[in-house]
Amino acid sequence: DTAVSQTPKYLVTQMGNDKSIKCEQNLGHDTMYWYKQDSKKFLKIMFSYNNKELIINETVPNRFSPKSPDKAHLNLHINSLELGDSAVYFCASSPLKGLAGVGGQQFFGPGTRLTVL
Amino acid sequence: GEDVEQSLFLSVREGDSSVINCTYTDSSSTYLYWYKQEPGAGLQLLTYIFSNMDMKQDQRLTVLLNKKDKHLSLRIADTQTGDSAIYFCAESIYSGGGADGLTFGKGTHLIIQP
Repeated sequence: DTAVSQTPKYLVTQMGNDKSIKCEQNLGHDTMYWYKQDSKKFLKIMFSYNNKELIINETVPNRFSPKSPDKAHLNLHINSLELGDSAVYFCASSPLKGLAGVGGQQFFGPGTRLTVL
Repeated sequence: GEDVEQSLFLSVREGDSSVINCTYTDSSSTYLYWYKQEPGAGLQLLTYIFSNMDMKQDQRLTVLLNKKDKHLSLRIADTQTGDSAIYFCAESIYSGGGADGLTFGKGTHLIIQP
């Protein structure tokens, strides 16, 4: 069973379009995240949600809007796509910090490769 | 602000030990992590260390933490071709509880020579 899943795996689209990436975790975790990995493999956190509430919002353009319909899902909607949005987007989840001694370990999805033409 | 630094490349011969180094700036980090990313794949947690520990060993992996110098290292003994990947050092960026995100280093590409 996949712990953290993302769809689609690949997304190719034109500049100016609006697109969504979906993420689901079946681990019962309270916290979910979105990270962006650019072409140089640099990883940066974009958002985190704790039990459907936005906690971290790093300096991300407001064209990016995370949506958490329930604890198990955190979707990423991107409006007016730009060339610079091309990257691999990773979803992750973790249990509440301090629980079960797991050290705040984050479980990552397989990534969604977004290409904007 | 938080910053995590790593060398971008490390080349070792198969069978030798690999040592990947990392420095971090946030002294309040509770946990430090090593993640592995194979080509075209997601991130896999390799190991983590709690900040009050100096060393952690797990089979071929040894993590050393020098909290005074804010230096973390990952040693892989008997490096195999399957160890070829990018290794990311990471620290928690909010240590006060709640939804800790991770600050990642730029990743070290481990290249294995036959």
